[in-house]
Amino acid sequence: EPEVTQTPSHQVTQMGQEVILRCVPISNHLYFYWYRQILGQKVEFLVSFYNNEISEKSEIFDDQFSVERPDGSNFTLKIRSTKLEDSAMYFCASVRDLGHGYTFGSGTRLTVV
Amino acid sequence: KNEVEQSPQNLTAQEGEFITINCSYSVGISALHWLQQHPGGGIVSLFMLSSGKKKHGRLIATINIQEKHSSLHITASHPRDSAVYICASSGMYSGGGADGLTFGKGTHLIIQP
Repeated sequence: EPEVTQTPSHQVTQMGQEVILRCVPISNHLYFYWYRQILGQKVEFLVSFYNNEISEKSEIFDDQFSVERPDGSNFTLKIRSTKLEDSAMYFCASVRDLGHGYTFGSGTRLTVV
Repeated sequence: KNEVEQSPQNLTAQEGEFITINCSYSVGISALHWLQQHPGGGIVSLFMLSSGKKKHGRLIATINIQEKHSSLHITASHPRDSAVYICASSGMYSGGGADGLTFGKGTHLIIQP
């Protein structure tokens, strides 16, 4: 069964550093998403991406965040200057088309120290 | 803004018991998703439904659009069903925007042998 692949599975970074989280969505899917889950809290929507541009974004997705699909396969989330409160599990997801179910990646656990 | 509420937050049951997890939401949605989150953090999509009832193996999901309520049932529960079960709503799609999912806090289910 096709999978959404996320790398790395764990990343530890120092406060103020830039991090890039990588995702390879399923190849024939059209919509891509980033979500985050702070430890012990519910999953929160960050951003959706369609047709090579941001479709929707939440209040969390401020200027320190950016997304790219540089080569038609990878889908990346960049956090420019990490803060302690950015520590969370970050999930990538893709959907074939609106009205279809989601496929989630296994997540990247980001720890900012 | 949609709010998604789940109950119970925690549920411990004996193997073989019939399990019901409830979900309510506050505004009209296009679909309701049931997801399973394993202890390692990965999220698996179980169901997406916009009306009626769906069944997959021992899992059954129902939705009542008028009452803004959905239930997930597990028949003949087994210890391997132990996980966090999350409901999440898709917003009403407008203008082609891919709104992200709004998540509930999840129900932590433990099935004891």
